[in-house]
Amino acid sequence: DTEVTQTPKHLVMGMTNKKSLKCEQHMGHRAMYWYKQKAKKPPELMFVYSYEKLSINESVPSRFSPECPNSSLLNLHLHALQPEDSALYLCASSRSYGQDAYEQYFGPGTRLTVT
Amino acid sequence: GESVGLHLPTLSVQEGDNSIINCAYSNSASDYFIWYKQESGKGPQFIIDIRSNMDKRQGQRVTVLLNKTVKHLSLQIAATQPGDSAVYFCADLPSGTYKYIFGTGTRLKVLA
Repeated sequence: DTEVTQTPKHLVMGMTNKKSLKCEQHMGHRAMYWYKQKAKKPPELMFVYSYEKLSINESVPSRFSPECPNSSLLNLHLHALQPEDSALYLCASSRSYGQDAYEQYFGPGTRLTVT
Repeated sequence: GESVGLHLPTLSVQEGDNSIINCAYSNSASDYFIWYKQESGKGPQFIIDIRSNMDKRQGQRVTVLLNKTVKHLSLQIAATQPGDSAVYFCADLPSGTYKYIFGTGTRLKVLA
């Protein structure tokens, strides 16, 4: 099983709302990622968690707040977003990262629209 | 590769023909490479990977070729089918890093 699940599939939120995106995998992967993807562009890395600890923040604005409650779950908390934050948000996981590279599996994404 | 521009290169192929999608990468320290397929409205789907100690790897109907001398990666799809229509991304991973570097992507259109 190489499945990464994400909820919700679609989300529309106003600029004053607070919402959360959820991601789950049961492959025993210890690295989890958040990416943002705009139309006709490749995925853009936002955050990397390794063994439930935030390893990398790619200078993402603080209105995006990641959380890794356990090794299977990854959340992205959203607050006071801007219309330009509208995009497809992708979660991914891999067995590990860095020097021992393994294939990275993506979820189906959450299509976010900020009004 | 690095993402540039707003227009995806497009490859149109007749159904049943072979497809070759190319990708250039810039970091000579990259030692792991992946090809992804992304259909409209879906997340990228892992197709095949290759490590830098190999120059060719075959999967089911797909072959990845790696030329480290010119930093070039290609994906060959045999007997292309309508279901192969999608955007294909290459990604490379520099040794000792976490950050997969994605290419700009190529849209494959399969003509009936």
